[in-house]
Amino acid sequence: QKEVEQNSGPLSVPEGAIASLNCTYSDRVSQSFFWYRQYSGKSPELIMSIYSNGDKEDGRFTAQLNKASQYVSLLIRDSQPSDSATYLCAVASTDSWGKLQFGAGTQVVVTP
Amino acid sequence: IAGITQAPTSQILAAGRRMTLRCTQDMRHNAMYWYRQDLGLGLRLIHYSNTAGTTGKGEVPDGYSVSRANTDDFPLTLASAVPSQTSVYFCASSETGGRRGYTFGSGTRLTVV
Repeated sequence: QKEVEQNSGPLSVPEGAIASLNCTYSDRVSQSFFWYRQYSGKSPELIMSIYSNGDKEDGRFTAQLNKASQYVSLLIRDSQPSDSATYLCAVASTDSWGKLQFGAGTQVVVTP
Repeated sequence: IAGITQAPTSQILAAGRRMTLRCTQDMRHNAMYWYRQDLGLGLRLIHYSNTAGTTGKGEVPDGYSVSRANTDDFPLTLASAVPSQTSVYFCASSETGGRRGYTFGSGTRLTVV
């Protein structure tokens, strides 16, 4: 069983709509959670971090964390064609010196 | 501009040859990492270093070695390349504990033939 699971997609989203991405993890002691965006042929770019249960908003992005259910999600509001990318969920636990476990990523395609 | 520099950008390598991928960061991050990224498998940790002078094995270390002589540099060496090492390699760094996530280099696309 993979430690960090994501739906691979592709997730097709009309322009202007909300994209909803989910990620589940298996390590109950995980404390830090991240969302990375990766454009094709490029390196991952950190877009969101969340450490406490609840929601965290940054511009059009909202990260949601539920440690009891072991899932973290990312919402992209008012999706734009420039949001078309692969989104990677990453999880760190306190006993791994900050090493991140990555999910395989969800491909998002925003259609005009 | 602060960040991570990887070299080369891409390389075609004959099987059996030795190759070192270079990684240099100027952010004074203590921790550095090497990942490989393969389609459908995501990012897999090869080796890591929590601080200069120390290294550790990740999920897929076989066939690779690293060294960390100073804070800035973290080279990855393939002693005798095999086709299964064809991949995109990313170097990353973070502050101690990784609480603020990683910064990634631009990657090296390696093809072993």
